[in-house]
Amino acid sequence: AQSVTQLDSHVSVSEGTPVLLRCNYSSSYSPSLFWYVQHPNKGLQLLLKYTSAATLVKGINGFEAEFKKSETSFHLTKPSAHMSDAAEYFCVVRGNTDKLIFGTGTRLQVFP
Amino acid sequence: SAVISQKPSRDICQRGTSLTIQCQVDSQVTMMFWYRQQPGQSLTLIATANQGSEATYESGFVIDKFPISRPNLTFSTLTVSNMSPEDSSIYLCSVEDLAEDQETQYFGPGTRLLVL
Repeated sequence: AQSVTQLDSHVSVSEGTPVLLRCNYSSSYSPSLFWYVQHPNKGLQLLLKYTSAATLVKGINGFEAEFKKSETSFHLTKPSAHMSDAAEYFCVVRGNTDKLIFGTGTRLQVFP
Repeated sequence: SAVISQKPSRDICQRGTSLTIQCQVDSQVTMMFWYRQQPGQSLTLIATANQGSEATYESGFVIDKFPISRPNLTFSTLTVSNMSPEDSSIYLCSVEDLAEDQETQYFGPGTRLLVL
């Protein structure tokens, strides 16, 4: 069975510093992985996805994630945080039944 | 990607009543889904809305409580029936177009429901 674990429920950074949101997955085969962002009172927006092509995936708003099979990880990074990055971030794996399995979310706070 | 709208965007309802949420897409899509996001929680899939046939419900969700319609390839409704405060959640629809991108779901803005 597939599952995804977001290792931090909350992450706080200062504006201009790097962001790291950690995600580990479990899958019996090569998975499809996604990061979505949910700003306050908004729906979910796709940040980026990995579907067995390049292991380093670039997304919108300067975010990127690296698929590491040996570590079963798909961590989300950004070199320099902006105030507008404050939101809830969800790591998602597509299961073998083609259903999306969501992590519990990481709330990112950005301080000036 | 498809543009997805939901109506209403939010509502406050009395227990025992029902609310129907609409999801409209600006293009024909293969798959439509309904999710629930309870306060402070992640998303849980309620059901897959099948065009022209009964929806496929996940474990823990039943048709009597969450009837779903999908009359065509651009529109679906979710009804939350006989509501109780425990139904207070954000309800989101999502779409997937297998012809364009077999892997990605796009989400609507959500309907924020508060049941008193």
